[in-house]
Amino acid sequence: GDSVTQMEGPVTLSEEAFLTINCTYTATGYPSLFWYVQYPGEGLQLLLKATKADDKGSNKGFEATYRKETTSFHLEKGSVQVSDSAVYFCALLYSSASKIIFGSGTRLSIRP
Amino acid sequence: GAVVSQHPSWVICKSGTSVKIECRSLDFQATTMFWYRQFPKQSLMLMATSNEGSKATYEQGVEKDKFLINHASLTLSTLTVTSAHPEDSSFYICSAGEGQGVDEQYFGPGTRLTVT
Repeated sequence: GDSVTQMEGPVTLSEEAFLTINCTYTATGYPSLFWYVQYPGEGLQLLLKATKADDKGSNKGFEATYRKETTSFHLEKGSVQVSDSAVYFCALLYSSASKIIFGSGTRLSIRP
Repeated sequence: GAVVSQHPSWVICKSGTSVKIECRSLDFQATTMFWYRQFPKQSLMLMATSNEGSKATYEQGVEKDKFLINHASLTLSTLTVTSAHPEDSSFYICSAGEGQGVDEQYFGPGTRLTVT
């Protein structure tokens, strides 16, 4: 079945470091791909999305490119801040099914 | 736009009582709403999908008689945890999709339920 695999955390970086959180997926069709962020004690917020191959989603300095050939959607940011500390979820969605499949989440901690 | 609210944001109840959680789409009509459960440091687990005016579709392993879902209007869905027990303590999150064939869901801020 369809699934999403994320790198296990926690990931701890120093402020201004480069961030990559790996995400790969298994899908039978052509889903939309998402990154959601969950700050401590809060619900999920959409960070960015891509709806077709080679699309690049970007927001708040974060980027991810929909790579069909490698079935990946890695999240990157060039210079992280303490305020980026949160849990990040990779996810896929088929519009026909309206059902989101989430990865297990990656906890990110940024040291000042 | 596309704001989803939940009420209450947290609730403490005694074992054996029932608790109702509301999920509202504030600025759009939500044909489909979803209820998730999240355990500490874990991912979201889809509990059920509800469409306005029809019965909810529950995921395998979710007790429909324990977790009652009502989606009576295009802007409101409710989740009632009946005869709550301590193991029902969790973070409950709803999301809503606009129209059919949604390509995005909008998430509520979540409700933390603690059963004592």
